[in-house]
Amino acid sequence: GDSVTQMEGPVTLSEEAFLTINCTYTATGYPSLFWYVQYPGEGLQLLLKATKADDKGSNKGFEATYRKETTSFHLEKGSVQVSDSAVYFCALSESGANSKLTFGKGITLSVRP
Amino acid sequence: GAVVSQHPSRVICKSGTSVKIECRSLDFQATTMFWYRQFPKQSLMLMATSNEGSKATYEQGVEKDKFLINHASLTLSTLTVTSAHPEDSSFYICSASRPGWNTGELFFGEGSRLTVL
Repeated sequence: GDSVTQMEGPVTLSEEAFLTINCTYTATGYPSLFWYVQYPGEGLQLLLKATKADDKGSNKGFEATYRKETTSFHLEKGSVQVSDSAVYFCALSESGANSKLTFGKGITLSVRP
Repeated sequence: GAVVSQHPSRVICKSGTSVKIECRSLDFQATTMFWYRQFPKQSLMLMATSNEGSKATYEQGVEKDKFLINHASLTLSTLTVTSAHPEDSSFYICSASRPGWNTGELFFGEGSRLTVL
């Protein structure tokens, strides 16, 4: 079955540091890939997505590129802010509407001033 | 603003009682909603897929009789935890797929934290 593997956390960085959060996946078809973020006390919200190989999703300074050859979708940001402190989930969905999401374990990012 | 809303956000109940959690899509009709359970420091585990007007599809290992799901309208799905026990304490999250958005993106509610004493 489908699965998503994220690097172990938590991660603590200083403000303006470079961020990489690794994510790899296994899937039977050609999934769409997502990063969701959960800020303290809030529900999950979509951060970015990519629907096919070599697509790059980007939002709020975060980027991730759909790499089919390495089955990866690593999340990067060049300069993190305190407000980026949250839990980040990598997820995949097999193509088509009403497809369920399969999540990684999530990783907690703490950014200190 | 939020497009999926859950209620209540927190609930505490006694062991043996039943608790109902509501999930509403606010500005679209959701033919399909998903219920997840999140354990501390763990990922979201899909419990069931709720389809409007039909029975929910439960994931393997999820007790249908304990976690009753009803999707009676296009904007409301409910999860009822029946005869709750302390091990049912968890964070329950609903999500909905938006008609016409076929990329697989889901919209999530704020979550409901259940504590069973």
